[in-house]
Amino acid sequence: DTAVSQTPKYLVTQMGNDKSIKCEQNLGHDTMYWYKQDSKKFLKIMFSYNNKELIINETVPNRFSPKSPDKAHLNLHINSLELGDSAVYFCASSPVGGRASPLHFGNGTRLTVT
Amino acid sequence: QQPVQSPQAVILREGEDAVINCSSSKALYSVHWYRQKHGEAPVFLMILLKGGEQKGHEKISASFNEKKQQSSLYLTASQLSYSGTYFCGTPSSGGTNAGKSTFGDGTTLTVKP
Repeated sequence: DTAVSQTPKYLVTQMGNDKSIKCEQNLGHDTMYWYKQDSKKFLKIMFSYNNKELIINETVPNRFSPKSPDKAHLNLHINSLELGDSAVYFCASSPVGGRASPLHFGNGTRLTVT
Repeated sequence: QQPVQSPQAVILREGEDAVINCSSSKALYSVHWYRQKHGEAPVFLMILLKGGEQKGHEKISASFNEKKQQSSLYLTASQLSYSGTYFCGTPSSGGTNAGKSTFGDGTTLTVKP
């Protein structure tokens, strides 16, 4: 009965490759997010979707492209991976966007680019 | 701008108390608190919506001072299970950034037997 699930948990790849991370939530939430956590544990929002519609797109390189086929899924595709992309990527969801909605995080995908 | 947390790290013995502070240079509409154990996802602890509001969850409570633009997390009689990194999150008020949460850089709490 996992609430927010991400795959894969670990991803090791070489520079220049393209990779995808998948996320699914079974909480019935309308809003989903991608957060990046760097080696210093700083959590930074990348994207947010509300009912399949992109509503937040922070200053993220064009190599990162989110896709939401339906409101329960939010995938992240990364082209031409760079060393600096190494981080833990967390998917999250909330009932609605806004100040009263806590985030439910997936278990993260640790991406290592060599 | 991200909120500032203090202290950056704290080490306690079981049963001791700790306070973690979260300050913002911008107006706060709400504050969320999360705990992240090593290698795991951040887990929601509590949310404070109004100035002066205090919330509690077992021996962990929090306060929110809207005027001072800050929140504090209080951990009393700490247990080993309290170890982890605590984050405050400050969601935007709404509009196109609805739901966007800006996080502090975390406070690492270590509870020793």
